[in-house]
Amino acid sequence: AQSVTQLGSHVSVSEGALVLLRCNYSSSVPPYLFWYVQYPNQGLQLLLKYTTGATLVKGINGFEAEFKKSETSFHLTKPSAHMSDAAEYFCAVSADSNYQLIWGAGTKLIIKP
Amino acid sequence: EPEVTQTPSHQVTQMGQEVILRCVPISNHLYFYWYRQILGQKVEFLVSFYNNEISEKSEIFDDQFSVERPDGSNFTLKIRSTKLEDSAMYFCASRRQGTGANEKLFFGSGTQLSVL
Repeated sequence: AQSVTQLGSHVSVSEGALVLLRCNYSSSVPPYLFWYVQYPNQGLQLLLKYTTGATLVKGINGFEAEFKKSETSFHLTKPSAHMSDAAEYFCAVSADSNYQLIWGAGTKLIIKP
Repeated sequence: EPEVTQTPSHQVTQMGQEVILRCVPISNHLYFYWYRQILGQKVEFLVSFYNNEISEKSEIFDDQFSVERPDGSNFTLKIRSTKLEDSAMYFCASRRQGTGANEKLFFGSGTQLSVL
């Protein structure tokens, strides 16, 4: 069975500081991994995904994530936080390409001025 | 960018009533999904739909739930007799075709269902 754990329901960083949102997964098969963002009153938007190939994945809005198989992690980072990054971020995993996604609980990113 | 549209944004209903949540996927998309998120809990997969039939469904998607693509543009989720625990945000999603992992899943903004 697959599962996703996101460490920290809330993460607060100062504007301009590094953003690090943690995601660990468990999967019996090589996973597909995703990060989605949900801005207030909006739907879920794909930030980036890992399927195969390069383990460092770049997404929209300057975010990137690195798939580390040995650590079963897929942490999301951004070098410099912007106020507009304030949102809830969800990590998700799928065993295959059919998008029956298993989701983490989400991490709310708060940006301090 | 194309959008998945969901209506209504909020739906309030009495326990035991039937509700229909509506979604208009992106026009050239072929795969459709419903997910839900109960307040404070994880997003959960409900069902996927392709070629006018359900391709996958979760344990949550019991006989009270059904999906339909009635007219080639809408994709609906019907809950036959709502329960209090059906209160959640329901997300519709769609994707085009091809190898799924290389396709982007587009989500609607959700319908907040409140069962009283």
